[in-house]
Amino acid sequence: AQSVTQPDIHITVSEGASLELRCNYSYGATPYLFWYVQSPGQGLQLLLKYFSGDTLVQGIKGFEAEFKRSQSSFNLRKPSVHWSDAAEYFCAVARGNAGKSTFGDGTTLTVKP
Amino acid sequence: ETGVTQSPTHLIKTRGQQVTLRCSSQSGHNTVSWYQQALGQGPQFIFQYYREEENGRGNFPPRFSGLQFPNYSSELNVNALELDDSALYLCASSSKRGGTDTQYFGPGTRLTVL
Repeated sequence: AQSVTQPDIHITVSEGASLELRCNYSYGATPYLFWYVQSPGQGLQLLLKYFSGDTLVQGIKGFEAEFKRSQSSFNLRKPSVHWSDAAEYFCAVARGNAGKSTFGDGTTLTVKP
Repeated sequence: ETGVTQSPTHLIKTRGQQVTLRCSSQSGHNTVSWYQQALGQGPQFIFQYYREEENGRGNFPPRFSGLQFPNYSSELNVNALELDDSALYLCASSSKRGGTDTQYFGPGTRLTVL
């Protein structure tokens, strides 16, 4: 069975600092990988996705993620965080069907002024 | 083009009751997936509907059931509610049965079971 681990429950960064959120997955073949963001009381918004090809994926809001097969990781990065980036971030994996995703338990991002 | 909508926004029920949650998919989308998100956890896949047929189910008991209508809107029904059913229920729609198509999430329905 596929699974996703987000090792950091809560991360605090200063506005303007760089950000990296970790995601490790367990799956036998090359999975579909996703990062979503969720603001309080809201649904999920897709930041970026990886299906195949270039392992460095660019997303919305200045985010990027890198797929590393050897490490079973798909870490999310942003070079300079804005206060509006404060939210919950979820990594997800799917096997051939994006609509049947397995999610991690999320990382809460707090941005200090 | 309208996005994914869900109703109601909030709902309070008591243990043992039944509940129906509704989801209107995004225009042009024929696939709807339902997820349960307990407090402090990530969403868990409940089931998916494609063209009115169930297309896969997660690890949820049969008292969780669903429907998809000809206009591709969907319902999630939960019978014999338990306290642990308290959660945010999310639906997501996409335009293909599966594959690489992006799923778009609605804002969710917050269910509280007392």
